[in-house]
Amino acid sequence: GAGVSQSPSNKVTEKGKDVELRCDPISGHTALYWYRQSLGQGLEFLIYFQGNSAPDKSGLPSDRFSAERTGGSVSTLTIQRTQQEDSAVYLCASSTYRGASVFGPGTRLTVL
Amino acid sequence: DQQVKQNSPSLSVQEGRISILNCDYTNSMFDYFLWYKKYPAEGPTFLISISSIKDKNEDGRFTVFLNKSAKHLSLHIVPSQPGDSAVYFCAASATGTYKYIFGTGTRLKVLA
Repeated sequence: GAGVSQSPSNKVTEKGKDVELRCDPISGHTALYWYRQSLGQGLEFLIYFQGNSAPDKSGLPSDRFSAERTGGSVSTLTIQRTQQEDSAVYLCASSTYRGASVFGPGTRLTVL
Repeated sequence: DQQVKQNSPSLSVQEGRISILNCDYTNSMFDYFLWYKKYPAEGPTFLISISSIKDKNEDGRFTVFLNKSAKHLSLHIVPSQPGDSAVYFCAASATGTYKYIFGTGTRLKVLA
């Protein structure tokens, strides 16, 4: 497709379970970002990948969060042992060098 | 430490009038700025950008002004339309990095 896609669109899970969120960026975009937006908050940077460079993980809130990007394309954000405060919309975006990021529709995660 | 601040969480403007959304930043290394618009249940969409070598960039009804000495930028929408009602985020990045820091957003409501 022409845009950034994310799956699932909605995820409801129980506290303590692991979840995986997927992002398919725009083909040819070398940079990929994950953000999250909690209720009433702005966009919180989590992690970004640029080509084959080591990812910038400085925004990951705890070691329960991890992400990988396989083959410079698809990315998976994994949250282990989910907590209620992890409930948020998780947004993925991709871009060319210093280009404007194109965002996906997000995954709404609800931890019960 | 919030490096990009949008101090007005909301703004209401009459249709046809000017909307002015403000954004302040603290990091003097930021040299590229973007504005995004976000509708509910959708990812943010790119609106307009400005580089620090300019102090103004215009695209149709949208104009972004940058005051480097004050570390302040603003987005002007003229004339405002009901379809402009959305949350607006400003974002900034520094030379040599793809990492964008987002503000917390301003919810604009354009009244018909």
